Amino acid sequence: GENVEQHPSTLSVQEGDSAVIKCTYSDSASNYFPWYKQELGKRPQLIIDIRSNVGEKKDQRIAVTLNKTAKHFSLHITETQPEDSAVYFCAASETGGFKTIFGAGTRLFVKA
Amino acid sequence: EAQVTQNPRYLITVTGKKLTVTCSQNMNHEYMSWYRQDPGLGLRQIYYSMNVEVTDKGDVPEGYKVSRKEKRNFPLILESPSPNQTSLYFCATTPGAVGTGELFFGEGSRLTVL
Repeated sequence: GENVEQHPSTLSVQEGDSAVIKCTYSDSASNYFPWYKQELGKRPQLIIDIRSNVGEKKDQRIAVTLNKTAKHFSLHITETQPEDSAVYFCAASETGGFKTIFGAGTRLFVKA
Repeated sequence: EAQVTQNPRYLITVTGKKLTVTCSQNMNHEYMSWYRQDPGLGLRQIYYSMNVEVTDKGDVPEGYKVSRKEKRNFPLILESPSPNQTSLYFCATTPGAVGTGELFFGEGSRLTVL
């Protein structure tokens, strides 16, 4: 069945460094790739998304890249801050479809 | 204020005692879905609903039931809970079918089955 693999499961960086989280999806029909951030004890919230007709999207310190041929997409956070500490989930779905498949999550620690 | 409201937020129950987790949204969204979150497994879809009276199974539907009698409500029913259903549950909605945009999540319901 459809699957989204996410790596690493845990990531620890020093404040100010960059963090990269990578995901691979299996369903070639997927064309919408959101990223959700879940702070401790809170609900997941969308931070950025990308569609298959775009290779890269940036929003301030956050960027997402997509390689549709290789079925890879990645989240890049630059100049990390302690408030970036959270669990990050990648996901994949198909426009008009009814299922979103999530990765297992990456717990990011940003050390001050 | 746009909201997805789940109740209860926390529940401890015993094996076999039927329970219902409610989900209500005020955004007039057509699509609603239930996920469970377990460490190392991410968010896994239990059931979803495309509209009133239209529901379908997700990836882990065993032991759960749902209903969608009104657009705003999508309750999750555990007829005979078992310890392996101990988890954090999230309801989520989106305006159309998934893939069109953001999923809006409720605050979560932490369920413990003893």
